[in-house]
Amino acid sequence: QVQLQESGPGLVKPSETLSLTCTVSGDSVDGYYWGWIRQPPGKGLEWIGYVHYSDDTIYNPSLRSRVTMSQDTPKNQFSLKLTSVTAADTAVYFCARYSRGGKYFDFWGQGRLVTVSS
Amino acid sequence: EIVLTQSPGTVSLSPGERAALSCRASESVSSKYIAWYQQKRGQAPRLLIYATSSRATGIPDRFSGSGSGTDFTLTISRLEAEDSAVYYCHQYVDSFRTFGQGTKVDIK
Repeated sequence: QVQLQESGPGLVKPSETLSLTCTVSGDSVDGYYWGWIRQPPGKGLEWIGYVHYSDDTIYNPSLRSRVTMSQDTPKNQFSLKLTSVTAADTAVYFCARYSRGGKYFDFWGQGRLVTVSS
Repeated sequence: EIVLTQSPGTVSLSPGERAALSCRASESVSSKYIAWYQQKRGQAPRLLIYATSSRATGIPDRFSGSGSGTDFTLTISRLEAEDSAVYYCHQYVDSFRTFGQGTKVDIK
């Protein structure tokens, strides 16, 4: 059974960079697409983007200028960096695995609440 | 960007009843590219349905999906208390993936 676990700071100051890592167990990160989704408190899901072998990334156009995703195969991890954060970036951040071929999300992490506040 | 609009916002039903949740796309979407997720309070979303009507592993047959073009439906027959959750539709035809805003299902 594939398991995903988000890790990283739960509090980030405005204008700084949010950094999260997703550690995958039960399967290799190679060969799959991996995504990040966020959910502001009390609101719906927002797709952030995906990474596939680090050189294949697609980001939400509304976040593209601030987002970077990468994959670390030896560590079986992938990561998210979001620069110049504001209070609007406060959310639960989920990492998730795409099904074969990069379609729907078949496995999700439990989520990591990140609060942007001074 | 393909916008997905879900209705109703909230539905309140009794155990044993049937729920029909709607998802309307802003443009035609191949039925191969619509999924549904269930999110219970404080939990991550869980995949229910993919390719409009295929149930994910372990999902009971009370959950079914249908639709084509711009109109898709998730039906939950014989509601149970554990079905209380928010349900999201999701399109993956476009490289810019989007979700609907969710429908909350309350069990009376």
